[in-house]
Amino acid sequence: AQSVTQLGSHVSVSEGALVLLRCNYSSSVPPYLFWYVQYPNQGLQLLLKYTTGATLVKGINGFEAEFKKSETSFHLTKPSAHMSDAAEYFCAVSEMDSSYKLIFGSGTRLLVRP
Amino acid sequence: EAGVAQSPRYKIIEKRQSVAFWCNPISGHATLYWYQQILGQGPKLLIQFQNNGVVDDSQLPKDRFSAERLKGVDSTLKIQPAKLEDSAVYLCASSISGTYNEQFFGPGTRLTVL
Repeated sequence: AQSVTQLGSHVSVSEGALVLLRCNYSSSVPPYLFWYVQYPNQGLQLLLKYTTGATLVKGINGFEAEFKKSETSFHLTKPSAHMSDAAEYFCAVSEMDSSYKLIFGSGTRLLVRP
Repeated sequence: EAGVAQSPRYKIIEKRQSVAFWCNPISGHATLYWYQQILGQGPKLLIQFQNNGVVDDSQLPKDRFSAERLKGVDSTLKIQPAKLEDSAVYLCASSISGTYNEQFFGPGTRLTVL
């Protein structure tokens, strides 16, 4: 079965600093990969996704992620953190069966210091 | 475009009581998902519907949880009887179809079982 590991349950950065949230997955075949963001008391919102094609994927709010098959990673980055980026971020992989269900990591809470 | 609607937003019950959650997906979305998100964890899929048929309910505790999606539109998730470990946020999501289409999430229902 596929699984997702997010390193670091909490990441703290200063406003304007680089944001790096790590995600590794296990899969026997090339997966579909996703990053979702969850603000307090809200549902999840899709930031970006990788299905096929270009391995560097750009998403909303200045985020991007790179699919590295050799490292089984899909890390999320943003060059300059903004206070509004403070939220919980979830990496997910899609099961490649009839359901295409999402398997989520345990999440990383991003704290942005002024 | 209206998003995924869920009600109630919050619910507090005592163990062994029953509870029901309601979800209205985005109009035209054929696929509906129910996720359970326990504090500190990522969402876990409970059940997936394609129109009014069940695609995946492998992680639904069928001795106490049930779900239906009559007429292939809105859906109800029920817990009877509730246990302490059922305390979680229950998220509903929908997508156009059951592929890698983006899943749109509702705000969730926070259940506390005392």
